[in-house]
Amino acid sequence: DGGITQSPKYLFRKEGQNVTLSCEQNLNHDAMYWYRQDPGQGLRLIYYSQIVNDFQKGDIAEGYSVSREKKESFPLTVTSAQKNPTAFYLCASSFTAANTGELFFGEGSRLTVL
Amino acid sequence: SQQGEEDPQALSIQEGENATMNCSYKTSINNLQWYRQNSGRGLVHLILIRSNEREKHSGRLRVTLDTSKKSSSLLITASRAADTASYFCASPLYGGSQGNLIFGKGTKLSVKP
Repeated sequence: DGGITQSPKYLFRKEGQNVTLSCEQNLNHDAMYWYRQDPGQGLRLIYYSQIVNDFQKGDIAEGYSVSREKKESFPLTVTSAQKNPTAFYLCASSFTAANTGELFFGEGSRLTVL
Repeated sequence: SQQGEEDPQALSIQEGENATMNCSYKTSINNLQWYRQNSGRGLVHLILIRSNEREKHSGRLRVTLDTSKKSSSLLITASRAADTASYFCASPLYGGSQGNLIFGKGTKLSVKP
């Protein structure tokens, strides 16, 4: 089955630690995205990538880093510089980053800072 | 930045009733999309309406778009308990890439059996 797989589903982090969230897609999509969702809020864009080895900052990139070494993979690292990292993180992909079409989402990763 | 804003924030209805959610947006758009999110899950795309369309149907879903009022509505007819979820509108900033898809805060729909 084609889709987007995020892991882990739940993650706990101590303050000062970096953590990496995995996102893999087998839809052959060029574009991939990371969103953050806080309780009762909409989604805010962290980073997006239109093509391998290229990515752009979204609205709330500070304290996060990404890489896009393979078309299928777009991992997100939440660094210790992110002051309020507890949130629900959603990865998405689309055929292209053109201004049309739908986003396909993974099931999300919930990060809690202890 | 927030492009779309849904109204109401929460809606509770009985099974079989219709549910109407509204979305207002600020800037010109190429298209507007509606997504559904079950609690603790990812978002699922429901329907996309382009700026030159006024109405679109998909099963029990009906979406309208009024570009003069910068607003859209999502109607779910004959609702079911399984329709309980949060519904979000989203649109790209005009001329922006899909990466600039801006989401509203959502309408939380509760359908009671």
